[in-house]
Amino acid sequence: ETGVTQTPRHLVMGMTNKKSLKCEQHLGHNAMYWYKQSAKKPLELMFVYSLEERVENNSVPSRFSPECPNSSHLFLHLHTLQPEDSALYLCASSQGQGNEKLFFGSGTQLSVL
Amino acid sequence: QKEVEQNSGPLSVPEGAIASLNCTYSDRGSQSFFWYRQYSGKSPELIMSIYSNGDKEDGRFTAQLNKASQYVSLLIRDSQPSDSATYLCAVNTPGSQGNLIFGKGTKLSVKP
Repeated sequence: ETGVTQTPRHLVMGMTNKKSLKCEQHLGHNAMYWYKQSAKKPLELMFVYSLEERVENNSVPSRFSPECPNSSHLFLHLHTLQPEDSALYLCASSQGQGNEKLFFGSGTQLSVL
Repeated sequence: QKEVEQNSGPLSVPEGAIASLNCTYSDRGSQSFFWYRQYSGKSPELIMSIYSNGDKEDGRFTAQLNKASQYVSLLIRDSQPSDSATYLCAVNTPGSQGNLIFGKGTKLSVKP
């Protein structure tokens, strides 16, 4: 495995379900990010972790809960989502927080029914 | 609200032509500018970065920056069908803790 890997690639969940997205980076980077990509909207930064410490939470609803147990792994825990949360969720990493060269994972295409 | 604006397209050009992609940004203090390419169903990939006024060339790609006009562009020479993708402009602004602000992207289609 190289780069940034995300699982699952696709996820369909009901509004009462609890699920988790997983991201792993094999690049030795110190910063990891969650982005949301919706149709016809710009990439939206959700969370930033630098050296396993959350450094930014962009006013994301509490139904999204990130977790960064170490510098290589990042999770996004989902619960009681709404249909408008359906989107592509992208994980990214960079050498350091504030380094603009982002390496993205393949994303999880999430559908909330 | 800091914004990055792009024409969503689609921009259609014939194979071999020059494709010109444009981006404007609202924060005059912006310092770093990037172009990411995203193929359909794939993740974004950094293809160009530019930090000072003028042109920067890398193979068939040229990034152009005009800070006075708050304008950055990407030229693709000798366009190929494999260049068909969505191109995302991203800007790093002071106060954003080094985090990028992305435009919505311009979809480019290169016709054989």
